[in-house]
Amino acid sequence: NAGVMQNPRHLVRRRGQEARLRCSPMKGHSHVYWYRQLPEEGLKFMVYLQKENIIDESGMPKERFSAEFPKEGPSILRIQQVVRGDSAAYFCASSPAVAEPQHFGDGTRLSIL
Amino acid sequence: DQQVKQNSPSLSVQEGRISILNCDYTNSMFDYFLWYKKYPAEGPTFLISISSIKDKNEDGRFTVFLNKSAKHLSLHIVPSQPGDSAVYFCAARQFGSSNTGKLIFGQGTTLQVKP
Repeated sequence: NAGVMQNPRHLVRRRGQEARLRCSPMKGHSHVYWYRQLPEEGLKFMVYLQKENIIDESGMPKERFSAEFPKEGPSILRIQQVVRGDSAAYFCASSPAVAEPQHFGDGTRLSIL
Repeated sequence: DQQVKQNSPSLSVQEGRISILNCDYTNSMFDYFLWYKKYPAEGPTFLISISSIKDKNEDGRFTVFLNKSAKHLSLHIVPSQPGDSAVYFCAARQFGSSNTGKLIFGQGTTLQVKP
């Protein structure tokens, strides 16, 4: 299966810890997007990256959240000093070009104790 | 400010009949629309899309209709099958000069197809 790979599938953290979510895009895809889904809601855009560049971070909270997509390796969504409200499903998507449909991974479910 | 709305949280249809899922939007600058299907504990799966320059796009059992004047689109599934039971999300994109792939999603509609 050469789809979008996200890990871990489930992540449990205590308040104040750091959470790191990883996303490997589909082969040949250089555009990566992160979305967050809160319970009973639709997906909310967070950030759009191309290799080594953040193109659009208009959906990212101003503090504690950061994202990167290095030249080598997966894209990382990093949440510092997690709080209960960060509990959600975080989905990564990729596309071969910005105008093409995005294909999603199965998400990381983050739970904050 | 919910720019993409799916006003029906759920829909139930009989196997073999037509399923019609609706979506309304408020931003006239949206130029591309997509439908995704999502099973529990999985990521959304792309189904079908339509550009704002078209009013219909068909792919097998799935057809999407776009009414720009009404800012409304719908997804038709014919015939419906039990395996179609899932949550369906409508999404929209404003590409234009911003050059971003940011998608705006609706809240989703849960479709149940009864055997």
